Amino acid sequence: GAGVSQSPRYKVAKRGQDVALRCDPISGHVSLFWYQQALGQGPEFLTYFQNEAQLDKSGLPSDRFFAERPEGSVSTLKIQRTQQEDSAVYLCASSPPYSNQGYFGPGTRLTVL
Amino acid sequence: DQQVKQNSPSLSVQEGRISILNCDYTNSMFDYFLWYKKYPAEGPTFLISISSIKDKNEDGRFTVFLNKSAKHLSLHIVPSQPGDSAVYFCAASPYAAGGTSYGKLTFGQGTILTVHP
Repeated sequence: GAGVSQSPRYKVAKRGQDVALRCDPISGHVSLFWYQQALGQGPEFLTYFQNEAQLDKSGLPSDRFFAERPEGSVSTLKIQRTQQEDSAVYLCASSPPYSNQGYFGPGTRLTVL
Repeated sequence: DQQVKQNSPSLSVQEGRISILNCDYTNSMFDYFLWYKKYPAEGPTFLISISSIKDKNEDGRFTVFLNKSAKHLSLHIVPSQPGDSAVYFCAASPYAAGGTSYGKLTFGQGTILTVHP
């Protein structure tokens, strides 16, 4: 398909486990964003990539969160030593050049037990 | 510090009537505003946007109004249809072409719209 895809769609982790969430943006979109959406809330910004460069990581809640986009396309959000408060939907969005409009993937629902 | 606020958690309207969803913001640096629609188990889908140099933008049944002095925007849907039932998010972005904040969105909490047949 032509949209943003994310995998896995659902992830259950035991507290303390590491998880990796993948995002495949729309081809040609240089901008890639990660957002975290807690239950009943709006998405909150985590980090931003322009091609392979991570230009803004001000929203990452702690140093347990790490994101990369080594070749400027696929991105991975890694959470180390997961905690219950990490339970949320993690959304990835990509944008074409010079656009403020994000195209969102379906999200990964992370549940930490 | 909630920079974008949607004070109505839910709204219920009859099919064929107008739906009005409201959004307030506090950050004067916001220059571009968007509305997204979200169905369960899906990501948000872009609906309509407006730049701060305009006060109205219309696209079919959807119209967004911006009152910059009041830091308020609203989304009007007319006529409302049952398929419009979803969560609606207001989002704002500072304009910074080529800058690190470009495209970074700050979202409201969302309003659940239910359109009854």
